[in-house]
Amino acid sequence: AQSVTQLGSHVSVSEGALVLLRCNYSSSVPPYLFWYVQYPNQGLQLLLKYTTGATLVKGINGFEAEFKKSETSFHLTKPSAHMSDAAEYFCAVSGNDKIIFGKGTRLHILP
Amino acid sequence: GAGVSQSPRYKVAKRGQDVALRCDPISGHVSLFWYQQALGQGPEFLTYFQNEAQLDKSGLPSDRFFAERPEGSVSTLKIQRTQQEDSAVYLCASSPGLATNTGELFFGEGSRLTVL
Repeated sequence: AQSVTQLGSHVSVSEGALVLLRCNYSSSVPPYLFWYVQYPNQGLQLLLKYTTGATLVKGINGFEAEFKKSETSFHLTKPSAHMSDAAEYFCAVSGNDKIIFGKGTRLHILP
Repeated sequence: GAGVSQSPRYKVAKRGQDVALRCDPISGHVSLFWYQQALGQGPEFLTYFQNEAQLDKSGLPSDRFFAERPEGSVSTLKIQRTQQEDSAVYLCASSPGLATNTGELFFGEGSRLTVL
C-alpha cells in the first residue's frame, strides 16, 4: 500500500527565506510522486511531479523537489519565499489506480 | 467548460436527508475521482471511474455513499441519510488518461456539505 507523511501541519517562513516542506512516502512499487497546492477558495492544482528519470524536478512558481529513494523522501523547496506562496501544500503518491494525499502543510509567509 | 465544475458549491442538509453532488469533468477526460476533505485534512480517496466503469470504490465510508458515471462524463455522488460526520468538502478530479500514469489530476473547487 502507498502512503505519504508530511512533517509539520504548519510552517512559517519570512518573505525571501528558504521554503522547505517535508514529505516522506511509503510505496511497494516505484512511486510516482506529486506536490499539489491549494490557494484559499481554489481547487488543488499540480505544482510538480516525479515519474521517472531526473530526480530533481522543477515545477511552477519556482518550486522544486528532489526524489531521494534512499531516504524515501520528496521534499519541496523554494529558494526565496514570496507572499503569494501562502497556501496549503499536499504531497501525494500514486499506486493501484489512485493518488493518495498527505494531510497537508499550511505555509505562512511572514512579512 | 474549461475546467472541472462541481455543484452545488455549498449544501446544508438536515441529518437524515439525502444529498446529490454533481461533477462535470473536463470534456474527454477518461478518469474521474471523488475525494472527501475534512477540515484541516488532506483529500481522502472515495472512488474512481475509468469512463463509465467504477473501478475502485474502496474509499466509500459506508453503504450510504453511492457514485455513478453512467455515460462516462458527468458523475454524481449520492449520500443517503446524511450524518454529521459526513460534513466535509467533496472534491471531484479528472484526468485525460490513467491518472497514475499521467500524474495530473484536475480538481474542481469542491462541494462543501454541512450536515446539521
